[in-house]
Amino acid sequence: GDSVTQMEGPVTLSEEAFLTINCTYTATGYPSLFWYVQYPGEGLQLLLKATKADDKGSNKGFEATYRKETTSFHLEKGSVQVSDSAVYFCALSISGGSNYKLTFGKGTLLTVNP
Amino acid sequence: DTEVTQTPKHLVMGMTNKKSLKCEQHMGHRAMYWYKQKAKKPPELMFVYSYEKLSINESVPSRFSPECPNSSLLNLHLHALQPEDSALYLCASSQDMGLAGAVVRTDTQYFGPGTRLTVL
Repeated sequence: GDSVTQMEGPVTLSEEAFLTINCTYTATGYPSLFWYVQYPGEGLQLLLKATKADDKGSNKGFEATYRKETTSFHLEKGSVQVSDSAVYFCALSISGGSNYKLTFGKGTLLTVNP
Repeated sequence: DTEVTQTPKHLVMGMTNKKSLKCEQHMGHRAMYWYKQKAKKPPELMFVYSYEKLSINESVPSRFSPECPNSSLLNLHLHALQPEDSALYLCASSQDMGLAGAVVRTDTQYFGPGTRLTVL
């Protein structure tokens, strides 16, 4: 079955540090890939997405590139801020089929200290 | 505008109560979802509606009863819940398109802020 594996953390960084959160996937078919962010006490917000190989999603300084050859979608940010502290979920969805399911990774808690 | 709204924000109920959670979107999306999220876990899919029809029920206990009165609204009726049902309940929507008699699904799901439910 489809699955997503991401580093579970927690990840603790100082402000302005470089962030990488690893995400790899297993899927039948051609998945779309997503990063969602959940701030404390809130719902999930779509951070970025990519729908085909070599696509790069980007938003708010975060980037992730869809790598089909390594089945990866790692999240990066060059300089994190305290306000980036949140839980980050990597997810996949199979395009075009009747399956509506998002398959999530377990989530990575990021804490950024001033 | 990619906003999904949910009410109430917080809900405390006893095991014999009946309550409802509400979700609304005005993006013209024709697929709507209920998820349950326990602390420190990813969301778990409960129900999917497509064009106001129940499309997926992930073997959810009958004490949870979904309803989709129109294309913008989604309710979750709660009755005789257990303390282990305490969780964050999230609603989401995505754009399905009717194309030549078939439903073509698009992937991106947009989530609401959730209802924090506590069952005493």
